Amino acid sequence: AQSVTQLDSQVPVFEEAPVELRCNYSSSVSVYLFWYVQYPNQGLQLLLKYLSGSTLVKGINGFEAEFNKSQTSFHLRKPSVHISDTAEYFCAVSRQNQAGTALIFGKGTTLSVSS
Amino acid sequence: EPEVTQTPSHQVTQMGQEVILRCVPISNHLYFYWYRQILGQKVEFLVSFYNNEISEKSEIFDDQFSVERPDGSNFTLKIRSTKLEDSAMYFCASKIVAHTDTQYFGPGTRLTVL
Repeated sequence: AQSVTQLDSQVPVFEEAPVELRCNYSSSVSVYLFWYVQYPNQGLQLLLKYLSGSTLVKGINGFEAEFNKSQTSFHLRKPSVHISDTAEYFCAVSRQNQAGTALIFGKGTTLSVSS
Repeated sequence: EPEVTQTPSHQVTQMGQEVILRCVPISNHLYFYWYRQILGQKVEFLVSFYNNEISEKSEIFDDQFSVERPDGSNFTLKIRSTKLEDSAMYFCASKIVAHTDTQYFGPGTRLTVL
């Protein structure tokens, strides 16, 4: 079975400051890793995903994440946040090589950016 | 850009009533999913559907739940006899087919059971 732990439920930050949202996972099989974002009253939108290869993954809106297999982590970072980044962020995993497999989500981190 | 749509956006029902939540996946996608998020909790997988049959389901997806692709565009989730604990946001998702493809999510239906 897989599980995902997002270590911070809320992260308040000032505009233009850097931010890191932490995610750890547990799995007995190889997984793919994802970060999704949910803006108010909208569905989940993919920010980035790690499938294989380079452990540093770049996504939309200036976000990036680094896969660390030894620490089973996939932390999300942005060097300078904007007010518009205020949203709920979800880390997720899915089993590799299984086409219909589910996404297993963490509880989410609320990022609040203020001026 | 194509997107997953869901109707209604908010559904209020009485306990014991049947509800059907509707989704229109992206047109060339072949895998369909339902997830739910109880307020303050994780997004949880319910079921995946491919080639007109259930591909995978979670423990949550018991006999009270069913899914259907009634035509070439809609994908539905039926809850036969709703319980208070079914109150949640229900998300539909779809993807093309490969295990590396991205799942695209709809905006969700908020189900409130009174």
